[in-house]
Amino acid sequence: NAGVTQTPKFRVLKTGQSMTLLCAQDMNHEYMYWYRQDPGMGLRLIHYSVGEGTTAKGEVPDGYNVSRLKKQNFLLGLESAAPSQTSVYFCASSLIWNEQFFGPGTRLTVL
Amino acid sequence: DAKTTQPTSMDCAEGRAANLPCNHSTISGNEYVYWYRQIHSQGPQYIIHGLKNNETNEMASLIITEDRKSSTLILPHATLRDTAVYYCIVRVDSGGGADGLTFGKGTHLIIQP
Repeated sequence: NAGVTQTPKFRVLKTGQSMTLLCAQDMNHEYMYWYRQDPGMGLRLIHYSVGEGTTAKGEVPDGYNVSRLKKQNFLLGLESAAPSQTSVYFCASSLIWNEQFFGPGTRLTVL
Repeated sequence: DAKTTQPTSMDCAEGRAANLPCNHSTISGNEYVYWYRQIHSQGPQYIIHGLKNNETNEMASLIITEDRKSSTLILPHATLRDTAVYYCIVRVDSGGGADGLTFGKGTHLIIQP
């Protein structure tokens, strides 16, 4: 079991560029989440999904879009990157509501 | 979800028990107490959770006061690998709800050799 994996691990973008972060889990979990973590801060929820084909907004959704076309994958898109989106992005999944499993993170820098 | 208050940082000697406090004085009757930790540059890791009773697993023990307004996470024999930021999170488990976790700044626990 690989658990939760994230692609890529690092990325540098210029302002206005777009990109997609991929999260994959092999635990057959229904729920998946995207968080961001800024320096010295806790994680904040961007979007989440309760199952294939469903998505919902979290605490800080502006500037991001998500898709869950397959149960095992959850994609996070930045259509027009801004320096304020420089952060570490974590994906997580859970089978039920009590324990979330996190990926290793993607470090994104927007210049 | 209720807010939590944790010390910013704590030290503990290797091999000793590490006791991490958390205050959640506004907790509601249906809110659970969760603990996660985040080792530097890694994703958070679930440790333990509880509602009223004390809980223990292979990683830690969770002691919740009778009035549920505070709790303590205990790492019985701390090692250098336990150096991490520890997050105390209070949330309603809606039995199928998928809302995310609300992280504060946590406690930076430093295990001293």
